[in-house]
Amino acid sequence: QSALTQPRSVSGSPGQSVTISCTGTSSDVGGYTYVSWYQQHPGKAPKLMIYDVSKRPSGVPDRFSGSKSGNTASLIISGLQAEDEADYYCCSYAGNYIWVFGGGTKLTVL
Amino acid sequence: EVQLVESGGGLVQPGGSLRLSCAASGFTFSSYWMSWVRQAPGKGLEWVANIKQDGSEKYYVDSVKGRFTISRDNAQNSLYLQVNSLRAEDTAVYYCARHPDYGTSFDYWGQGTLVTVAS
Repeated sequence: QSALTQPRSVSGSPGQSVTISCTGTSSDVGGYTYVSWYQQHPGKAPKLMIYDVSKRPSGVPDRFSGSKSGNTASLIISGLQAEDEADYYCCSYAGNYIWVFGGGTKLTVL
Repeated sequence: EVQLVESGGGLVQPGGSLRLSCAASGFTFSSYWMSWVRQAPGKGLEWVANIKQDGSEKYYVDSVKGRFTISRDNAQNSLYLQVNSLRAEDTAVYYCARHPDYGTSFDYWGQGTLVTVAS
């Protein structure tokens, strides 16, 4: 039950695209298509942005997309906007009804 | 509108206990798996425990096994987390979160309740 590995921080200018990686193992990210991503603004609860690797819940802008290759999942945010500045967390199913999160990535919009 | 409202947090001494509650509304509570997720100050999210719709299955992260107990009362639309033998490293905001009907993520979260373990 080790945490997934995310970069501590990423940054980009408005209008640009950024990618946040999430690396696990064959027992979690690599073993299931159950990777989700959460956005968290300071002092707020997390918000679901992507589920099942690449699906978007209703209401989430299509600027947010997800993918996975092997043991690494990615969140791609295109057309960066100021309100995208937040912490982002990946999460993966790890079998036996257990879930594991990444350490989080702080996105700065320059 | 789906709402999850946690309560029961506070300051407790090491070795102490608390019972956290989560009041659910706006959906059929008895139809969903539920989880507790915590976040230590300035740190990342950590899944703590989850419970099946009827309470018959419960799962925990290794670090809380034997000390924390998740439960639910579907008649009261409430989720609980009994936290015993608390340690400083249990200091965190505790969120309740719903698993959607497809089960593979956490689609709604409460605002959290802060548990501080200190002498």
